[in-house]
Amino acid sequence: ELKVEQNPLFLSMQEGKNYTIYCNYSTTSDRLYWYRQDPGKSLESLFVLLSNGAVKQEGRLMASLDTKARLSTLHITAAVHDLSATYFCAVDLNEKLTFGTGTRLTIIP
Amino acid sequence: GAVVSQHPSRVICKSGTSVKIECRSLDFQATTMFWYRQFPKKSLMLMATSNEGSKATYEQGVEKDKFLINHASLTLSTLTVTSAHPEDSSFYICSARPWEGLGNEQFFGPGTRLTVL
Repeated sequence: ELKVEQNPLFLSMQEGKNYTIYCNYSTTSDRLYWYRQDPGKSLESLFVLLSNGAVKQEGRLMASLDTKARLSTLHITAAVHDLSATYFCAVDLNEKLTFGTGTRLTIIP
Repeated sequence: GAVVSQHPSRVICKSGTSVKIECRSLDFQATTMFWYRQFPKKSLMLMATSNEGSKATYEQGVEKDKFLINHASLTLSTLTVTSAHPEDSSFYICSARPWEGLGNEQFFGPGTRLTVL
């Protein structure tokens, strides 16, 4: 059974600071996704990572994938309040997604 | 492109009634659609995979007689919660995977919040 764990589960950080969210998974896969969810809303796709060593960046967010370590990271640079949300990674195995536990990010002014 | 809609966005019903939720892919055809359930402050859990023209595949622990799924066309899947009870209250989210192109990515609908009184 595929298990996907994120840490931290909760993260409060000040504006302007950098931080990284980690996503570990238990079974080999080379396809991983990052999503953002605002309260009461559905998922917004952030990144699609399709191979070992993949790195993608959009604004203040950067995601990477290490399939050998079964690890993906979501790095936040110079956080701003608008980034406050819950972030999920999801691993694609046999064309089904298994979601991580989620990281609730709060940016403090 | 790749827009998925759900209807209704919110529904409140009495215990014992049935509720139907629609999931539509608006600008692409989807041979496969997925239904997820999310409890407050929790992650998404896959309930079932819906394939056009065939029976849905349910995840372990999901009652297929309670959560009826129909995927009658390449753009529409429905989830019917039968004889709903308060413990069925949740946020239900569907996703659709395009028939071709756009890789293997799933595109998510806006969700349906079900409250059973």
